This record gives sequence, structure tokens and C-alpha cells, in this order.
Amino acid sequence: KAGVTQTPRYLIKTRGQQVTLSCSPISGHRSVSWYQQTPGQGLQFLFEYFSETQRNKGNFPGRFSGRQFSNSRSEMNVSTLELGDSALYLCASSSEPTNEKLFFGSGTQLSVL
Amino acid sequence: SQKIEQNSEALNIQEGKTATLTCNYTNYSPAYLQWYRQDPGRGPVFLLLIRENEKEKRKERLKVTFDTTLKQSLFHITASQPADSATYLCARGATTDSWGKLQFGAGTQVVVTP
Repeated sequence: KAGVTQTPRYLIKTRGQQVTLSCSPISGHRSVSWYQQTPGQGLQFLFEYFSETQRNKGNFPGRFSGRQFSNSRSEMNVSTLELGDSALYLCASSSEPTNEKLFFGSGTQLSVL
Repeated sequence: SQKIEQNSEALNIQEGKTATLTCNYTNYSPAYLQWYRQDPGRGPVFLLLIRENEKEKRKERLKVTFDTTLKQSLFHITASQPADSATYLCARGATTDSWGKLQFGAGTQVVVTP
């Protein structure tokens, strides 16, 4: 069974631009959550989707948004990029709407110049 | 604020010895704690989950304990090997309706030398 797939693996953007990151969960998994990881703040929860519905949202500005499609694939979007948005963005999936045993992708490394 | 804390200093240990990592949390006691391993440039990999009514959980050379009185979990790697070198993350959820939301500690880097 293929793992969680995130694309692209690396991304370089400039301030003010917007970016869309993609996540394909493990086949059969309907829950997808997103995390931002930085050296200073560690892993921080962004949002979580189950069956196309956002169930939880972390403490991030409205520039961060996401969605989930009917095939459980998910995207997150960051508009008006700031230097502080540079981070590793991780997607995780699980088979049930639970936070037990999340399966993470390798992440998208975003650099904002 | 609600925190989950891990020792930020790297743990350097000789091959064959036992590595012990600490995870302390404040405020609410979670229904369970989880431990993940993360290698550089990769996403975390789930290792173990221990529930509040379990004192100890084992998986191969790994052992986790959970003390709700001390608000602490200990993670042990016995007979450590250089391949165990990685960052180990502790995480807690809130109640059962927190779904995919986990609060992670900053992680402890373990370096096992031959």
C-alpha cells in the first residue's frame, strides 16, 4: 500500500505570492490533517479534514486555508506569503476520524525569499 | 498555556545502552500519548501509543510508560543501535473529539555511537 504522498517536495516562492500544496492520503484513509514544522516552533497543527469537512483548525491566520476532495485528496493554500511561512509542511492521514496513529508524508519544504 | 515538553538537549548514548527520553505535560491529562520518530527531511513515523489506563507498553526494544500523577511519559530504547539515531517526538491529543489535532513536543534528538 502506498504511503502518504505530498507534492511538490520542494518549493521556492517570493513574498506576496501564493502557494498550493497537495496531499494524497493512504488509500482508504478519509481523515487528513496538516502540520507546519519549523525549527523554532516545532510541529504545529494547521487543520484537519474528514469526508470533505474541516473538523478542526489551528491557530493560524486566514491566509492559510485548505480543502479536501471527494477522493480524500487534500490541498492547502497559503496566500500572500511571508518570510515566516518558510517551513516543512506535513500532511498526515488516518483511517478513522481520530488522532491515533497518524501516517505522515515526507512533507513539502517551502522556502519564501 | 498548555504545554508538552521534551528535553531539548540531544541525548548521546553508546551502542548497546538504554536511552531514556522524557515527556512532561501541563494542564489536562490526555486520554493517550503517542511517540513518533523523525529522521532528517522526513515526516514523523508512529512508534507507540499508550492510554491513560495503561502504565506500560512495549514494542520490540521500545518501552513507554505513562504516569498521570506525575504528568509524564518515559520512552526507553533498550540495546540501542546507531540506526536508532533520530529525533523522537511525544504527542498528545485532547479529548476524543479532537480528531487529527495533536500537540507535539519539540522532540529529543538521540545520537547512538558505535
